[in-house]
Amino acid sequence: KNQVEQSPQSLIILEGKNCTLQCNYTVSPFSNLRWYKQDTGRGPVSLTIMTFSENTKSNGRYTATLDADTKQSSLHITASQLSDSASYICVVSASYGNEKLTFGTGTRFTIIP
Amino acid sequence: DSGVTQTPKHLITATGQRVTLRCSPRSGDLSVYWYQQSLDQGLQFLIQYYNGEERAKGNILERFSAQQFPDLHSELNLSSLELGDSALYFCASSPRLESDTQYFGPGTRLTVL
Repeated sequence: KNQVEQSPQSLIILEGKNCTLQCNYTVSPFSNLRWYKQDTGRGPVSLTIMTFSENTKSNGRYTATLDADTKQSSLHITASQLSDSASYICVVSASYGNEKLTFGTGTRFTIIP
Repeated sequence: DSGVTQTPKHLITATGQRVTLRCSPRSGDLSVYWYQQSLDQGLQFLIQYYNGEERAKGNILERFSAQQFPDLHSELNLSSLELGDSALYFCASSPRLESDTQYFGPGTRLTVL
């Protein structure tokens, strides 16, 4: 069964600190892995999308890594800002002809001043 | 602003009723996806349409149905509503059939009383 597990479930850190969110998956055949940011009550916004051959991708202060051998990904947030407070969702895509997305339940990230 | 529009923003109705949610994808996007997000739950994929045709089905109940029209807008019909159907319903669009970033709309918050 395709599954995506994220850790931690929630995280609180001080403004300005760095943090790393984890995503482990059991999805095959693997097509790509995506990280989304979702503010409360709003639609998710794409941060990064990585295919099998990519092991790191950055978007501003967000850097995602992918280890396809261990089926793990991480999202590193540098110098956190209050506006980073949101849920971060890991989504893994399998391709059977038609793409099938499996969503993690997200990490709720809160920055305090 | 993702370029995806959803109407209405909020909808309050009673059990047993039927409602229709509407989505207009980004200009030029051919794929439309529907998702359900219950309180504090992850996103659940419901259904995908591509250029007017159904392409993938997720955890969509038989009471729910969708379609994509020739102008590419999509509607999600929910009937015989139950209290448990209360949720945020998101529409997302992408240019092609798969392996693309999905752009999410602002969502429709459905409350069933």
